[in-house]
Amino acid sequence: RKEVEQDPGPFNVPEGATVAFNCTYSNSASQSFFWYRQDCRKEPKLLMSVYSSGNEDGRFTAQLNRASQYISLLIRDSKLSDSATYLCVVNQYGNKLVFGAGTILRVKS
Amino acid sequence: EADIYQTPRYLVIGTGKKITLECSQTMGHDKMYWYQQDPGMELHLIHYSYGVNSTEKGDLSSESTVSRIRTEHFPLTLESARPSHTSQYLCASSGGYEQYFGPGTRLTVT
Repeated sequence: RKEVEQDPGPFNVPEGATVAFNCTYSNSASQSFFWYRQDCRKEPKLLMSVYSSGNEDGRFTAQLNRASQYISLLIRDSKLSDSATYLCVVNQYGNKLVFGAGTILRVKS
Repeated sequence: EADIYQTPRYLVIGTGKKITLECSQTMGHDKMYWYQQDPGMELHLIHYSYGVNSTEKGDLSSESTVSRIRTEHFPLTLESARPSHTSQYLCASSGGYEQYFGPGTRLTVT
């Protein structure tokens, strides 16, 4: 079983749609959680950290469920520019991060 | 956000050559990392460092080596490049848990 699992997609959605991505992690001792965004042939960029209480940044909402070892990302009012691969990332051992394989989002006009 | 730089951005080199990929950051981060990523695939950690004179191998076996003589600099060296080393190499740094990535070096070994 992979340490961080994501649905690879692709998710094909129209502009303005709401889309949600899920991620599960295997190590219950994990302490920090993140969503990164990676555009084609570019480096990953930090989108947001994920806190136990849930957090929101504009159109993006992240939630963490420690009991189920589950993380989610909700994107409202999708824009064409949101098209990218979204990486679920978990800090498990010291300062090492474990990256999921990513979920591909394609927003179409 | 960290300022982190990688050179060269693109490199095409012949088999057997020695290469060094440069990575520098200006944020004074203690922790630095090297990842390898093939197109459409996930990132794999190949080396990391928690400070000067500290280096560790990552989860993916790699024939490369690294050094950390200065806080801001974390070069990666391949003594003898092979076609199997063709990939994208991403450097990252961290002052906490989140990591910030450089633009990457796309290496092609012919």
